[in-house]
Amino acid sequence: AQSVTQLGSHVSVSEGALVLLRCNYSSSVPPYLFWYVQYPNQGLQLLLKYTSAATLVKGINGFEAEFKKSETSFHLTKPSAHMSDAAEYFCAVSARYGGSLGNLIFGKGTKLSVKP
Amino acid sequence: DADVTQTPRNRITKTGKRIMLECSQTKGHDRMYWYRQDPGLGLRLIYYSFDVKDINKGEISDGYSVSRQAQAKFSLSLESAIPNQTALYFCATSAVDGYEQYFGPGTRLTVT
Repeated sequence: AQSVTQLGSHVSVSEGALVLLRCNYSSSVPPYLFWYVQYPNQGLQLLLKYTSAATLVKGINGFEAEFKKSETSFHLTKPSAHMSDAAEYFCAVSARYGGSLGNLIFGKGTKLSVKP
Repeated sequence: DADVTQTPRNRITKTGKRIMLECSQTKGHDRMYWYRQDPGLGLRLIYYSFDVKDINKGEISDGYSVSRQAQAKFSLSLESAIPNQTALYFCATSAVDGYEQYFGPGTRLTVT
């Protein structure tokens, strides 16, 4: 069965510092991987996705993530945090095959705080 | 206008009441989903529908039912609400081969 683990339920960085949000997945075959962001009182918005093309994926708002099969990881990074990046971030995995194709399994989320 | 809309946005109801949450989409997607979000637990899948005639239970379907009235409409019902169904509920859609899901703004449900 697939699963997603996000390390750290809360991460705090200073404005201008590197953002690193960690995500590890468990899957018998390389899955599709996603990062979503949820701003306060809003729904989820797709940041980026990995679907087997380039292993380094660039998303919106300056975020990127790298798929590392050997580490079963898909960590999200941004070189320089901005106050507007404060939100909750969710990593999700989707099966490539089978009856649940297209269904997303979400991690528990990481809340990012950005200090001025 | 938003592609995925949910009504109501907020609802307070009493234990034992029947309540329906509605979702509409203008994206033309066949697939629709209902999730609930609880603090610290992420999003968990309640039901999903791959087309009007195909409805499936998700991880936590007990106490919920759904109806897919049309390609664009997918409603979630709580037949007899209980306090532990207090949560934020999201509807989402996806294309058959797009894989990413598009989310509505959510419905905050409180059961007292």
